[in-house]
Amino acid sequence: GAVVSQHPSWVICKSGTSVKIECRSLDFQATTMFWYRQFPKQSLMLMATSNEGSKATYEQGVEKDKFLINHASLTLSTLTVTSAHPEDSSFYICSANTGQLGNTIYFGEGSWLTVV
Amino acid sequence: QKEVEQDPGPLSVPEGAIVSLNCTYSNSAFQYFMWYRQYSRKGPELLMYTYSSGNKEDGRFTAQVDKSSKYISLFIRDSQPSDSATYLCAMTKIQGAQKLVFGQGTRLTINP
Repeated sequence: GAVVSQHPSWVICKSGTSVKIECRSLDFQATTMFWYRQFPKQSLMLMATSNEGSKATYEQGVEKDKFLINHASLTLSTLTVTSAHPEDSSFYICSANTGQLGNTIYFGEGSWLTVV
Repeated sequence: QKEVEQDPGPLSVPEGAIVSLNCTYSNSAFQYFMWYRQYSRKGPELLMYTYSSGNKEDGRFTAQVDKSSKYISLFIRDSQPSDSATYLCAMTKIQGAQKLVFGQGTRLTINP
């Protein structure tokens, strides 16, 4: 199946700093990527839809100034958590649509963020 | 009412048993249905994908969609301890770059 790669897989940062997470589609071009957040034992919560070459579309309640999304190329989207706080500690996952017949969507391995 | 309902479990069965996982949904516009498996601290892995009503089989896994009842199922035959994970159903309305609507996920444990 298609491969979506995330980096870093885990990161620890100090409160008040910013951290960037990368999401890459390795063997296909993705005009649209999605960013999710998942708390322990809970389902995935969609944060935003990342569109190549344009502004991201954020879900209700997600602060766009705190969670900056950039989709500069067809294979790379980045999520930057700005001025991170302990409550931002979570599992962040990206996904990408292959665009092929069937509308299959593949997920990255996820990135664990711990803010101390 | 949530768009997609899934029993969170946990569900615990002995090795070799047949497992049935289910989701119901309220929006008849959903056309594409997926099942993902998620191991602890990992991203979801696409298991099965089906379009509209019908059955699809892949090895020990069978996905069923009954659009008239707004009900989808995933069956796992000859369950193995390695099948222990959280299983998430997901669905979307139209083909293309559409965001998925997820169920809550069912935590499954297969006991040796």
